[in-house]
Amino acid sequence: GESVGLHLPTLSVQEGDNSIINCAYSNSASDYFIWYKQESGKGPQFIIDIRSNMDKRQGQRVTVLLNKTVKHLSLQIAATQPGDSAVYFCAEKRYGNNRLAFGKGNQVVVIP
Amino acid sequence: DADVTQTPRNRITKTGKRIMLECSQTKGHDRMYWYRQDPGLGLRLIYYSFDVKDINKGEISDGYSVSRQAQAKFSLSLESAIPNQTALYFCATGKEDGKLFFGSGTQLSVL
Repeated sequence: GESVGLHLPTLSVQEGDNSIINCAYSNSASDYFIWYKQESGKGPQFIIDIRSNMDKRQGQRVTVLLNKTVKHLSLQIAATQPGDSAVYFCAEKRYGNNRLAFGKGNQVVVIP
Repeated sequence: DADVTQTPRNRITKTGKRIMLECSQTKGHDRMYWYRQDPGLGLRLIYYSFDVKDINKGEISDGYSVSRQAQAKFSLSLESAIPNQTALYFCATGKEDGKLFFGSGTQLSVL
């Protein structure tokens, strides 16, 4: 079957460099955001989340930035490794709604 | 063992056949979901359930039905499969905070 990553925006990054993946969301009522990583043949895996009362949140080698003014979310990966090659999805939950809405994904390819 | 288990992992079927995809979880979550993933389209919600007696349609429920047999089990059925239902199907579980945990997926091909 076709790869999940076909037709997706692709970011190629050199191993050891930092990666930045961007996501625009449409609903100003969204109050919770999540980044997922999906490797080939696997289900999406939680990376990091952030609530709308925060601008920045850091995890292990990852940082999520939220700019509510322009409705923009980004995921920064420090010192990118080959294992970071995957499709990355952002997801938003709107206030009062119990469901996540997912973006279409961004393919990250790490060049050794 | 996986926290969210989907069976089968792969399935090929013919147009008009009935097929069931199964999902079980050991995370103890009340909420369970079925998503469909198509290349370049991201994840789209088919059905979701917040407890055993609760079933809700998602954005693309036509042609699908679900059954929540127990807190840990949530199955998705295609009563009469058609080729445009060829896709990768994911089951997920979650809590009220919104964070979801996904299974490994079922690749379904309808010929």
